[in-house]
Amino acid sequence: KAGVTQTPRYLIKTRGQQVTLSCSPISGHRSVSWYQQTPGQGLQFLFEYFSETQRNKGNFPGRFSGRQFSNSRSEMNVSTLELGDSALYLCASSSTSGTRIYNEQFFGPGTRLTVL
Amino acid sequence: SQELEQSPQSLIVQEGKNLTINCTSSKTLYGLYWYKQKYGEGLIFLMMLQKGGEEKSHEKITAKLDEKKQQSSLHITASQPSHAGIYLCGADSGGSNYKLTFGKGTLLTVNP
Repeated sequence: KAGVTQTPRYLIKTRGQQVTLSCSPISGHRSVSWYQQTPGQGLQFLFEYFSETQRNKGNFPGRFSGRQFSNSRSEMNVSTLELGDSALYLCASSSTSGTRIYNEQFFGPGTRLTVL
Repeated sequence: SQELEQSPQSLIVQEGKNLTINCTSSKTLYGLYWYKQKYGEGLIFLMMLQKGGEEKSHEKITAKLDEKKQQSSLHITASQPSHAGIYLCGADSGGSNYKLTFGKGTLLTVNP
């Protein structure tokens, strides 16, 4: 089975621009989560989607948004980029069902976003 | 909100030595996950523990979840340079929040 894939792997943007990151989960996985990783804050939860519905959102401003498609692929968007948005953005997929009981989360390689 | 504290923050060991990394939660753990990360790369799933007292092993790595389900330890036996990296614990605190909270990580260096 192919793993979680994320595109692009690297991005350089300037302040004020917007960016869209893509995540393709492992085949059969319907839950997709997004995390932001920075040296100062570590790994922080952004949001989680299951069957095209956002089930939870972390403490990030409204500039951060996401969506999930019917094939479970997910995108996240960051508008009006700020310098502090520079980070590694990680996507994870899980075979977890509609209940809250978790199965393992498998992570993609991440997208390195640099905001200049 | 749940917080996870990992100790130590960093660790340097000589190849062949054993080591332990700890993860302590501020709340009861309903699921505890251990991951390994090479700098700037994605996380590699190691193990998941859900039951108090549970212990799992894979190759030379053993993880335990204590009976009270608020602490987990990761033990590496006879460390090798390939074990080097950042070890992260992640936790599911229960409820319907569908998210994992992570510790800040432990940076392991193994000197040959």
